[in-house]
Amino acid sequence: DAGVIQSPRHEVTEMGQEVTLRCKPISGHDYLFWYRQTMMRGLELLIYFNNNVPIDDSGMPEDRFSAKMPNASFSTLKIQPSEPRDSAVYFCASRWGSAYNEQFFGPGTRLTVL
Amino acid sequence: GESVGLHLPTLSVQEGDNSIINCAYSNSASDYFIWYKQESGKGPQFIIDIRSNMDKRQGQRVTVLLNKTVKHLSLQIAATQPGDSAVYFCAEGGQDYKLSFGAGTTVTVRA
Repeated sequence: DAGVIQSPRHEVTEMGQEVTLRCKPISGHDYLFWYRQTMMRGLELLIYFNNNVPIDDSGMPEDRFSAKMPNASFSTLKIQPSEPRDSAVYFCASRWGSAYNEQFFGPGTRLTVL
Repeated sequence: GESVGLHLPTLSVQEGDNSIINCAYSNSASDYFIWYKQESGKGPQFIIDIRSNMDKRQGQRVTVLLNKTVKHLSLQIAATQPGDSAVYFCAEGGQDYKLSFGAGTTVTVRA
């Protein structure tokens, strides 16, 4: 199994530009999570999906952030417009079934907004 | 609000010694606790978990202890190796499927 796949691995953009981060969960997993990691705030859950449906987006910082999951094998996190304070590492994770099953994390996308 | 926190931000340990990483939690509703390891440039990797109906669980070279009375979680690594150098996170969760992560402890193994 290839694990959770994220692209791009690194993204450098200028303030005001649109940024799209992509995630392919592990095949068969029905839960998908988006996290943001910064030195100041650690790992924060942004949003999670179950069977492609957003369940909890209370961690999304503001309306500039949006996430979609059009099918079981693909999800996107979009920031429009991007700001320097959005600079962070964004992780996608997936899990199958029970809340007590392991979450598998992708390698992350390091975003730098200049 | 309630959160998961770690006692120490860094830990330096001699190769071959045992390591103990501590974590405090405050959400009494949490019933699932996990330790993750994150190496530089990689995503967090699951190490071991424990449910609230247990107070100890062992894996390969690792042991997690849970003390619900004082809301304390620890990870013990036996015979620490250079490959154990990483940031270690505790996380708590429950039936709402969400995990809350602590700040992380950086473990450095001295040769």
